[in-house]
Amino acid sequence: DAGVIQSPRHEVTEMGQEVTLRCKPISGHNSLFWYRQTMMRGLELLIYFNNNVPIDDSGMPEDRFSAKMPNASFSTLKIQPSEPRDSAVYFCASSLDGRATAFFGQGTRLTVV
Amino acid sequence: SQKIEQNSEALNIQEGKTATLTCNYTNYSPAYLQWYRQDPGRGPVFLLLIRENEKEKRKERLKVTFDTTLKQSLFHITASQPADSATYLCAPGGSSASKIIFGSGTRLSIRP
Repeated sequence: DAGVIQSPRHEVTEMGQEVTLRCKPISGHNSLFWYRQTMMRGLELLIYFNNNVPIDDSGMPEDRFSAKMPNASFSTLKIQPSEPRDSAVYFCASSLDGRATAFFGQGTRLTVV
Repeated sequence: SQKIEQNSEALNIQEGKTATLTCNYTNYSPAYLQWYRQDPGRGPVFLLLIRENEKEKRKERLKVTFDTTLKQSLFHITASQPADSATYLCAPGGSSASKIIFGSGTRLSIRP
């Protein structure tokens, strides 16, 4: 398996633009997580899905952020409109239900100017 | 609210010595605790998981302890090497296996 695949690896956008980050989890994993990492706040859990259903989105900063998982092999995290304070590395991770280990993608480094 | 604390300052260790990292948690009782390693520019990678009924777990040069009374886990790297330099994150887990929350991590630097 290729592991968790995220795209793009890097994204630079202007303030106010819409940004969409994409994630393909490991085949067979039924839990998916979106994290945001910054120097100041560390690795924050934004939202997680189980069997494609959002279970806990309490970490989503505000209404500008939304996440979807239309099927077991694809998820998106959207920011609309983007702001400079959204600049961070966004990680997607997946795990096998009943087992705690999370497998991470390589992350998307987002810069909003 | 649940809180996870790791040494915020970087830990600098001489090669060959044992590095010990600490993870403390408050306001919950995790059924297990995980340790991950993160290298610059990469996502965290799983290292070890220890369950609440296990006092100690080992994997090669790594050793993890879990004290549910102290609400603390210690992560040891024996015979440390420069290649062990990285940030190490702990993630205590609840009875539900789904939600994984991380501490802020400790940056470890092993000097030759």
